[in-house]
Amino acid sequence: KAGVTQTPRYLIKTRGQQVTLSCSPISGHRSVSWYQQTPGQGLQFLFEYFSETQRNKGNFPGRFSGRQFSNSRSEMNVSTLELGDSALYLCASSPYKDEKLFFGSGTQLSVL
Amino acid sequence: AQSVTQPDIHITVSEGASLELRCNYSYGATPYLFWYVQSPGQGLQLLLKYFSGDTLVQGIKGFEAEFKRSQSSFNLRKPSVHWSDAAEYFCAVGARSNDYKLSFGAGTTVTVRA
Repeated sequence: KAGVTQTPRYLIKTRGQQVTLSCSPISGHRSVSWYQQTPGQGLQFLFEYFSETQRNKGNFPGRFSGRQFSNSRSEMNVSTLELGDSALYLCASSPYKDEKLFFGSGTQLSVL
Repeated sequence: AQSVTQPDIHITVSEGASLELRCNYSYGATPYLFWYVQSPGQGLQLLLKYFSGDTLVQGIKGFEAEFKRSQSSFNLRKPSVHWSDAAEYFCAVGARSNDYKLSFGAGTTVTVRA
């Protein structure tokens, strides 16, 4: 089985722009979670989707949003980018009723 | 709220020596506990998990962890470290009641010297 695929691998944006990150989960996995990783804050939970519904949300501003499609693929959007949004954004998928997370390699976002 | 503390930011160990990484958690109910490993520029790989049952859990790459409820700890161990074990290690706690949202510790960076 192919693993979790995140695109693009690297992104450079400027302040005020918006960005969309994509995640394709492992085939058959219906849950997709997003995490932000920074040297200062570590790994922080953004949100989790299951069958196109957001089930859980972390403590991030409304500029961070996401969605999940019927094929379980997920996108994350960040609007009005700030310097502090520079981070590695990790997507993880898990099977139904299984707590194990399988992570992608992440998208490294740099905001200039 | 659930939380995880990894007291050691950085550990240096000689190749062939034993390794123990500490993890303390805070959660009201029985948690689900995980250890993940991350190599530079990569995502996280699950080493092992504890849900219930035997408190000594075996994982991949020769790692094991022991759940001690009385100490709220879930320490990771490896008897003999290989140079390829140099990476960052994360302990995480989750709960079914919280829809499996994971809270991660700050991580411990392991350096292996020859």
